Amino acid sequence: SQQGEEDPQALSIQEGENATMNCSYKTSINNLQWYRQNSGRGLVHLILIRSNEREKHSGRLRVTLDTSKKSSSLLITASRAADTASYFCAPGSSGSRLTFGEGTQLTVNP
Amino acid sequence: GAVVSQHPSRVICKSGTSVKIECRSLDFQATTMFWYRQFPKQSLMLMATSNEGSKATYEQGVEKDKFLINHASLTLSTLTVTSAHPEDSSFYICSARNRGGGTEAFFGQGTRLTVV
Repeated sequence: SQQGEEDPQALSIQEGENATMNCSYKTSINNLQWYRQNSGRGLVHLILIRSNEREKHSGRLRVTLDTSKKSSSLLITASRAADTASYFCAPGSSGSRLTFGEGTQLTVNP
Repeated sequence: GAVVSQHPSRVICKSGTSVKIECRSLDFQATTMFWYRQFPKQSLMLMATSNEGSKATYEQGVEKDKFLINHASLTLSTLTVTSAHPEDSSFYICSARNRGGGTEAFFGQGTRLTVV
Protein backbone atom coordinates (compact mmCIF):
# COMPACT_ATOMS: atom_id res chain seq x y z
CA SER A 1 0.00 0.00 0.00
CA GLN A 2 1.06 3.62 -0.22
CA GLN A 3 0.02 6.72 1.58
CA GLY A 4 -1.06 9.90 -0.09
CA GLU A 5 0.38 13.30 0.58
CA GLU A 6 -2.22 15.95 1.26
CA ASP A 7 -1.76 19.59 0.46
CA PRO A 8 -2.10 22.12 1.97
CA GLN A 9 -1.36 21.02 5.51
CA ALA A 10 -3.78 23.60 6.84
CA LEU A 11 -6.58 25.61 5.27
CA SER A 12 -8.69 28.29 6.89
CA ILE A 13 -11.75 29.72 5.15
CA GLN A 14 -14.99 31.50 5.88
CA GLU A 15 -18.32 29.76 6.01
CA GLY A 16 -19.90 29.63 2.58
CA GLU A 17 -16.61 29.56 0.72
CA ASN A 18 -15.33 26.55 -1.15
CA ALA A 19 -12.45 24.46 0.14
CA THR A 20 -10.07 22.58 -2.12
CA MET A 21 -7.48 20.13 -0.93
CA ASN A 22 -5.16 17.99 -2.97
CA CYS A 23 -3.62 14.57 -2.74
CA SER A 24 -0.60 13.21 -4.56
CA TYR A 25 0.64 9.64 -4.65
CA LYS A 26 3.51 7.74 -6.17
CA THR A 27 2.46 4.46 -7.75
CA SER A 28 -0.48 3.21 -9.78
CA ILE A 29 -3.75 2.64 -7.98
CA ASN A 30 -7.11 1.00 -8.47
CA ASN A 31 -8.96 3.58 -6.43
CA LEU A 32 -8.57 6.50 -4.08
CA GLN A 33 -10.61 7.27 -1.01
CA TRP A 34 -11.12 10.40 1.03
CA TYR A 35 -11.82 10.34 4.74
CA ARG A 36 -12.67 12.97 7.34
CA GLN A 37 -11.65 12.99 10.97
CA ASN A 38 -13.23 15.25 13.51
CA SER A 39 -11.04 16.03 16.49
CA GLY A 40 -10.76 13.09 18.86
CA ARG A 41 -12.89 10.78 16.74
CA GLY A 42 -12.47 7.98 14.25
CA LEU A 43 -12.40 8.48 10.51
CA VAL A 44 -15.49 8.75 8.37
CA HIS A 45 -15.44 7.58 4.78
CA LEU A 46 -16.46 10.35 2.42
CA ILE A 47 -16.06 9.11 -1.11
CA LEU A 48 -14.24 6.57 -3.26
CA ILE A 49 -13.18 7.21 -6.83
CA ARG A 50 -11.96 4.43 -9.08
CA SER A 51 -8.99 4.69 -11.40
CA ASN A 52 -11.24 4.69 -14.47
CA GLU A 53 -13.25 7.63 -13.16
CA ARG A 54 -12.23 11.25 -13.54
CA GLU A 55 -14.78 12.97 -11.36
CA LYS A 56 -17.31 12.02 -8.77
CA HIS A 57 -19.89 13.96 -6.77
CA SER A 58 -21.53 13.32 -3.44
CA GLY A 59 -23.67 16.12 -2.03
CA ARG A 60 -21.36 19.11 -1.53
CA LEU A 61 -18.29 17.04 -2.27
CA ARG A 62 -16.59 16.82 -5.63
CA VAL A 63 -13.59 14.60 -6.16
CA THR A 64 -11.37 14.49 -9.20
CA LEU A 65 -8.70 12.01 -10.11
CA ASP A 66 -5.90 12.47 -12.60
CA THR A 67 -4.03 9.21 -12.88
CA SER A 68 -1.52 10.67 -15.32
CA LYS A 69 -0.46 13.18 -12.70
CA LYS A 70 -1.05 10.79 -9.83
CA SER A 71 -3.16 13.33 -8.04
CA SER A 72 -6.65 13.86 -6.70
CA SER A 73 -8.53 16.82 -5.36
CA LEU A 74 -11.41 17.15 -2.95
CA LEU A 75 -13.66 20.17 -3.26
CA ILE A 76 -16.15 21.04 -0.55
CA THR A 77 -18.62 23.62 -1.76
CA ALA A 78 -20.51 26.11 0.41
CA SER A 79 -18.54 25.09 3.46
CA ARG A 80 -20.03 25.05 6.94
CA ALA A 81 -18.48 25.30 10.36
CA ALA A 82 -19.29 21.61 10.81
CA ASP A 83 -16.89 20.79 7.96
CA THR A 84 -14.01 21.74 10.25
CA ALA A 85 -11.95 18.56 10.45
CA SER A 86 -8.86 16.83 9.13
CA TYR A 87 -9.14 15.30 5.69
CA PHE A 88 -7.10 12.35 4.50
CA CYS A 89 -6.74 10.64 1.18
CA ALA A 90 -5.97 6.94 0.83
CA PRO A 91 -4.75 5.76 -2.56
CA GLY A 92 -4.87 2.04 -2.93
CA SER A 93 -5.88 -1.21 -4.47
CA SER A 94 -8.62 -3.62 -3.52
CA GLY A 95 -7.69 -5.34 -0.29
CA SER A 96 -4.64 -3.17 0.33
CA ARG A 97 -3.71 -1.87 3.71
CA LEU A 98 -5.03 1.61 4.46
CA THR A 99 -2.30 4.04 5.38
CA PHE A 100 -2.58 7.78 5.78
CA GLY A 101 -0.49 10.88 5.34
CA GLU A 102 -0.53 13.99 7.50
CA GLY A 103 -3.86 15.19 6.18
CA THR A 104 -5.24 18.66 5.58
CA GLN A 105 -6.59 20.45 8.60
CA LEU A 106 -9.59 22.48 7.44
CA THR A 107 -10.97 25.24 9.61
CA VAL A 108 -14.23 26.85 8.56
CA ASN A 109 -14.83 30.07 10.42
CA PRO A 110 -18.42 31.10 11.11
CA GLY B 1 -24.19 2.25 6.86
CA ALA B 2 -21.83 -0.19 8.47
CA VAL B 3 -21.00 0.45 12.10
CA VAL B 4 -17.84 -0.34 14.00
CA SER B 5 -18.03 -0.08 17.76
CA GLN B 6 -14.86 0.45 19.75
CA HIS B 7 -14.75 0.11 23.50
CA PRO B 8 -13.79 1.68 25.81
CA SER B 9 -13.71 5.23 24.49
CA ARG B 10 -11.42 6.33 27.31
CA VAL B 11 -9.27 4.41 29.73
CA ILE B 12 -6.74 5.38 32.35
CA CYS B 13 -4.43 2.71 33.68
CA LYS B 14 -1.39 2.45 35.87
CA SER B 15 2.07 1.75 34.52
CA GLY B 16 2.77 -1.93 34.28
CA THR B 17 -0.81 -3.01 33.82
CA SER B 18 -2.46 -4.30 30.65
CA VAL B 19 -5.37 -2.78 28.82
CA LYS B 20 -7.68 -4.45 26.34
CA ILE B 21 -9.49 -2.54 23.62
CA GLU B 22 -12.34 -4.14 21.69
CA CYS B 23 -13.39 -3.47 18.14
CA ARG B 24 -16.69 -4.91 16.91
CA SER B 25 -18.36 -4.75 13.55
CA LEU B 26 -22.03 -4.50 14.46
CA ASP B 27 -23.86 -5.16 11.23
CA PHE B 28 -21.36 -6.81 8.96
CA GLN B 29 -18.68 -9.45 9.01
CA ALA B 30 -15.14 -8.20 8.86
CA THR B 31 -12.47 -10.50 7.61
CA THR B 32 -9.86 -7.80 8.03
CA MET B 33 -9.43 -5.27 10.78
CA PHE B 34 -6.77 -2.61 11.11
CA TRP B 35 -5.35 -1.05 14.25
CA TYR B 36 -3.89 2.45 14.31
CA ARG B 37 -2.44 4.77 16.88
CA GLN B 38 -2.46 8.51 16.64
CA PHE B 39 -0.49 11.06 18.61
CA PRO B 40 -1.83 14.60 19.04
CA LYS B 41 -1.89 16.57 15.81
CA GLN B 42 -0.33 13.70 13.90
CA SER B 43 -1.60 11.25 11.36
CA LEU B 44 -2.78 7.73 11.98
CA MET B 45 0.01 5.21 12.12
CA LEU B 46 -0.95 1.71 11.05
CA MET B 47 0.15 -0.73 13.72
CA ALA B 48 -1.13 -4.04 12.44
CA THR B 49 -3.59 -5.80 10.21
CA SER B 50 -5.60 -8.59 11.72
CA ASN B 51 -7.29 -11.32 9.72
CA GLU B 52 -9.95 -13.54 11.22
CA GLY B 53 -8.54 -16.83 12.34
CA SER B 54 -4.92 -16.05 11.63
CA LYS B 55 -2.09 -14.16 13.22
CA ALA B 56 -1.93 -10.42 12.86
CA THR B 57 0.58 -8.80 10.54
CA TYR B 58 2.50 -6.08 12.33
CA GLU B 59 4.06 -3.04 10.76
CA GLN B 60 7.76 -2.52 11.06
CA GLY B 61 8.75 -1.18 14.43
CA VAL B 62 5.61 -2.31 16.23
CA GLU B 63 6.29 -4.79 19.02
CA LYS B 64 3.96 -7.73 18.64
CA ASP B 65 4.58 -8.92 22.20
CA LYS B 66 3.56 -5.57 23.54
CA PHE B 67 0.52 -5.01 21.36
CA LEU B 68 -1.34 -8.30 21.30
CA ILE B 69 -4.00 -8.56 18.64
CA ASN B 70 -6.65 -11.23 18.52
CA HIS B 71 -9.22 -11.56 15.77
CA ALA B 72 -11.13 -14.56 16.97
CA SER B 73 -14.38 -14.00 15.11
CA LEU B 74 -15.67 -12.20 12.06
CA THR B 75 -17.06 -9.43 14.21
CA LEU B 76 -14.50 -8.92 16.95
CA SER B 77 -10.87 -7.97 17.17
CA THR B 78 -9.06 -6.98 20.34
CA LEU B 79 -5.88 -5.06 20.99
CA THR B 80 -4.18 -5.60 24.33
CA VAL B 81 -1.49 -3.17 25.38
CA THR B 82 0.64 -5.18 27.76
CA SER B 83 2.77 -3.73 30.55
CA ALA B 84 1.69 -0.27 29.58
CA HIS B 85 4.02 2.69 30.01
CA PRO B 86 3.29 6.42 29.86
CA GLU B 87 4.73 6.56 26.33
CA ASP B 88 1.98 4.18 25.24
CA SER B 89 -0.53 6.90 25.99
CA SER B 90 -2.18 7.63 22.68
CA PHE B 91 -5.37 7.49 20.67
CA TYR B 92 -5.98 4.00 19.31
CA ILE B 93 -8.38 3.48 16.41
CA CYS B 94 -9.61 0.34 14.73
CA SER B 95 -11.18 -0.08 11.33
CA ALA B 96 -12.77 -2.97 9.49
CA ARG B 97 -13.47 -4.04 5.95
CA ASN B 98 -16.67 -5.78 5.02
CA ARG B 99 -16.32 -9.45 4.22
CA GLY B 100 -18.71 -8.89 1.36
CA GLY B 101 -16.05 -7.03 -0.47
CA GLY B 102 -15.28 -3.41 -1.14
CA THR B 103 -12.38 -1.20 -0.38
CA GLU B 104 -14.06 1.16 2.02
CA ALA B 105 -13.03 0.83 5.65
CA PHE B 106 -15.29 1.62 8.57
CA PHE B 107 -13.71 3.13 11.64
CA GLY B 108 -14.42 2.88 15.32
CA GLN B 109 -14.65 6.00 17.44
CA GLY B 110 -11.24 5.48 18.94
CA THR B 111 -9.92 4.83 22.43
CA ARG B 112 -8.01 7.44 24.38
CA LEU B 113 -5.48 5.58 26.52
CA THR B 114 -3.70 7.39 29.31
CA VAL B 115 -1.06 5.54 31.28
CA VAL B 116 -0.16 7.12 34.60
